[in-house]
Amino acid sequence: GNSVTQMEGPVTLSEEAFLTINCTYTATGYPSLFWYVQYPGEGLQLLLKATKADDKGSNKGFEATYRKETTSFHLEKGSVQVSDSAVYFCALRADSGYSTLTFGKGTMLLVSP
Amino acid sequence: GAGVSQSPSNKVTEKGKDVELRCDPISGHTALYWYRQSLGQGLEFLIYFQGNSAPDKSGLPSDRFSAERTGGSVSTLTIQRTQQEDSAVYLCASSLNPRDIQYFGAGTRLSVL
Repeated sequence: GNSVTQMEGPVTLSEEAFLTINCTYTATGYPSLFWYVQYPGEGLQLLLKATKADDKGSNKGFEATYRKETTSFHLEKGSVQVSDSAVYFCALRADSGYSTLTFGKGTMLLVSP
Repeated sequence: GAGVSQSPSNKVTEKGKDVELRCDPISGHTALYWYRQSLGQGLEFLIYFQGNSAPDKSGLPSDRFSAERTGGSVSTLTIQRTQQEDSAVYLCASSLNPRDIQYFGAGTRLSVL
């Protein structure tokens, strides 16, 4: 079956540090890949997505590249801010069948001033 | 409202009681999804609706869980004879069509004492 594995947190960084959150997946075919973010007390928000190999999704300074050869979709940001503190979820949607999302367990990011 | 609305935001119940959780999707969205977010388990898919039909119920953990959707809009997730292991945040999402981006509500935090 489909699965998503992401690095466990919490990830603790100082403001302006470089961020990488690793995400790898197992799926047949060509799934779509997503990063969602959950700020404290809020629902999940789509951060970025990529639908085919070598696509790069980007938003709010975050980016991730769909790497088919390594089945990865790592999230990066060059300079984090305190306001980026949240839980980040990597997810996939299979390219066939039902459209439900399979999520990783989430990675908490804590950014200190 | 413009987003997915869930109620109640918090629910505390006693073991053995029944609970109903409500989801109001974004107007016009045909697809609706329920997920469960538990500590240490991440986000798990429960059930998917297309219109009023539920073609994928594969994530419901037991026959104590059921859901319905009426008028292609509001959905109710019912948990009968609640157990402590049912304690979690229950998230609802909707999308315009099955392969479109899913938009999430803020969730209902269920605590079973």
